Amino acid sequence: NAGVTQTPKFQVLKTGQSMTLQCAQDMNHEYMSWYRQDPGMGLRLIHYSVGAGITDQGEVPNGYNVSRSTTEDFPLRLLSAAPSQTSVYFCASTPDRSSYRRYFGPGTRLTVT
Amino acid sequence: EDKVVQSPLSLVVHEGDTVTLNCSYEVTNFRSLLWYKQEKKAPTFLFMLTSSGIEKKSGRLSSILDKKELFSILNITATQTGDSAIYLCAVQNSGGSNYKLTFGKGTLLTVNP
Repeated sequence: NAGVTQTPKFQVLKTGQSMTLQCAQDMNHEYMSWYRQDPGMGLRLIHYSVGAGITDQGEVPNGYNVSRSTTEDFPLRLLSAAPSQTSVYFCASTPDRSSYRRYFGPGTRLTVT
Repeated sequence: EDKVVQSPLSLVVHEGDTVTLNCSYEVTNFRSLLWYKQEKKAPTFLFMLTSSGIEKKSGRLSSILDKKELFSILNITATQTGDSAIYLCAVQNSGGSNYKLTFGKGTLLTVNP
């Protein structure tokens, strides 16, 4: 199993550009989530999904969209990038919604200039 | 709103020292408290605690939860330079159907030789 994979590892965007961060898992996990991590801020939940076709907002959803058309994939879209979205983004998957374990991907470091 | 506060935010020690990291929380419908270690990559799981007073141990690391006073501590004895990392505390609630994790800001531990 590859576990949780994220692409790209690094990305530089200009303000106003859009892009999609990819996340995939091959563990047949029901629950997936996106976090952002800023220096000294811990991890903050952006969006999450409890299963294919179901998504919901987390703590900091503004400026981001998600969809979950398959169990495996959970892409995160930045609609119009802003410097405030410069961060490290982690995708995580969890066997089911009640499980405590989060299996984190390696992260995407995004810089918006 | 669930809240997790970690202290200290950063700590510098010498190899061989013992350190205690603190995590206090306010959460509705507490389900579990988790500790993660994060080096220059994704967080890795250390402990999950659900019951008061039961110490979890893994080598030189141990953790305990006090559900009455709403805090947990993570102890590291005989620290090594490889223990240098950010230590994240998170709490999971069982409210609704979401079982979300709320993370603290982390404690940056630096162990000098």
